[in-house]
Amino acid sequence: AQRVTQPEKLLSVFKGAPVELKCNYSYSGSPELFWYVQYSRQRLQLLLRHISRESIKGFTADLNKGETSFHLKKPFAQEEDSAMYYCALDTGRRALTFGSGTRLQVQP
Amino acid sequence: DGGITQSPKYLFRKEGQNVTLSCEQNLNHDAMYWYRQDPGQGLRLIYYSQIVNDFQKGDIAEGYSVSREKKESFPLTVTSAQKNPTAFYLCASSDTGTGGGGTGELFFGEGSRLTVL
Repeated sequence: AQRVTQPEKLLSVFKGAPVELKCNYSYSGSPELFWYVQYSRQRLQLLLRHISRESIKGFTADLNKGETSFHLKKPFAQEEDSAMYYCALDTGRRALTFGSGTRLQVQP
Repeated sequence: DGGITQSPKYLFRKEGQNVTLSCEQNLNHDAMYWYRQDPGQGLRLIYYSQIVNDFQKGDIAEGYSVSREKKESFPLTVTSAQKNPTAFYLCASSDTGTGGGGTGELFFGEGSRLTVL
């Protein structure tokens, strides 16, 4: 069965420090992976997807099939990046499997 | 105001009672989803529907039921068979199933918090 693992419940960094939110998945086929974000008092929303290969708000994520990982990275964290981040996987059943989430706290 | 509307935002239920959570969208999306969110467990898929009059069980469907009689509506009933119904429930929609054509991006509602007394 498909599974998404986000090992860190909380990641706390200082403003300007690099950020890496870890995501590992288990699926033997060709997955589609996503990062969703929930800012305080806002709805859960799409941040980026691996097929787009784009940078959103300075965040990037590369799919590593060998390591079955899709870590989210940003070189310089900003206070407004503080939020709950969820990694999600689509194995072709047309519904997403989410990880347990990582709360990112960016301190001034 | 377009988007996904869930109601009620807060709901209290006595043990043994069924309760129905409403989810309406005016985005003209084909696919709709119900997730359950518990602390430390992320979002778990309950049911999803790719098209009107059709739906599939997700990973934790036991104790829940849904219907999809209209494109814009996907109500979730939490039945008395659900052993631990106290949770935060999120509804979402997309223009098509993720992995298919279209953008596949999920648009979420604000959620409904159900508490069983």
